[in-house]
Amino acid sequence: GDSVTQTEGLVTLTEGLPVMLNCTYQTIYSNPFLFWYVQHLNESPRLLLKSFTDNKRTEHQGFHATLHKSSSSFHLQKSSAQLSDSALYYCALLGNNRIFFGDGTQLVVKP
Amino acid sequence: GGIITQTPKFLIGQEGQKLTLKCQQNFNHDTMYWYRQDSGKGLRLIYYSITENDLQKGDLSEGYDASREKKSSFSLTVTSAQKNEMAVFLCASSRTANSDYTFGSGTRLLVI
Repeated sequence: GDSVTQTEGLVTLTEGLPVMLNCTYQTIYSNPFLFWYVQHLNESPRLLLKSFTDNKRTEHQGFHATLHKSSSSFHLQKSSAQLSDSALYYCALLGNNRIFFGDGTQLVVKP
Repeated sequence: GGIITQTPKFLIGQEGQKLTLKCQQNFNHDTMYWYRQDSGKGLRLIYYSITENDLQKGDLSEGYDASREKKSSFSLTVTSAQKNEMAVFLCASSRTANSDYTFGSGTRLLVI
């Protein structure tokens, strides 16, 4: 069935360093649709970026991700972390009439 | 733009009590969802409704009922609250079943 794996439960890094949050997926569909949602403390999740195009970089608010069907991956990256990036990040996959979410990665950015 | 309104924002119930959470959206979206969020366990789908007269069980439907009263509203009932239960229930909607979601601000449940 459809599933999403986020290997890191918690990522802690220092402000200014690059961010990379891992996401891999399994699906029966040949054209997967992937998402990243971000949830700040005491807020609800909101869409950060999405993609269904293989090997094309998608960017939004300083973050970027590239869907690689060959490796079933959709890692989230940012060149330089900011304190305000501290949040819970969910990778998600569109399945049959619903979205499957990974368990989430908590990103903590320290000064 | 539109908004998803969840009521109540906070809900304190007693063990064994039947509790109802409500969700309204004015996006005119077809599809609505109920998720449960526990600390460290991500988002788990309880029920969803693809169109106005549809109801589908999610991965965590046991212990819950849902009702899509009309296109804009989707209710969730905890049939028998469990003692010490604490979670956030998130409602979401999407234009179609194959679109990205917009989430409401959540209902925080505490059972004493």
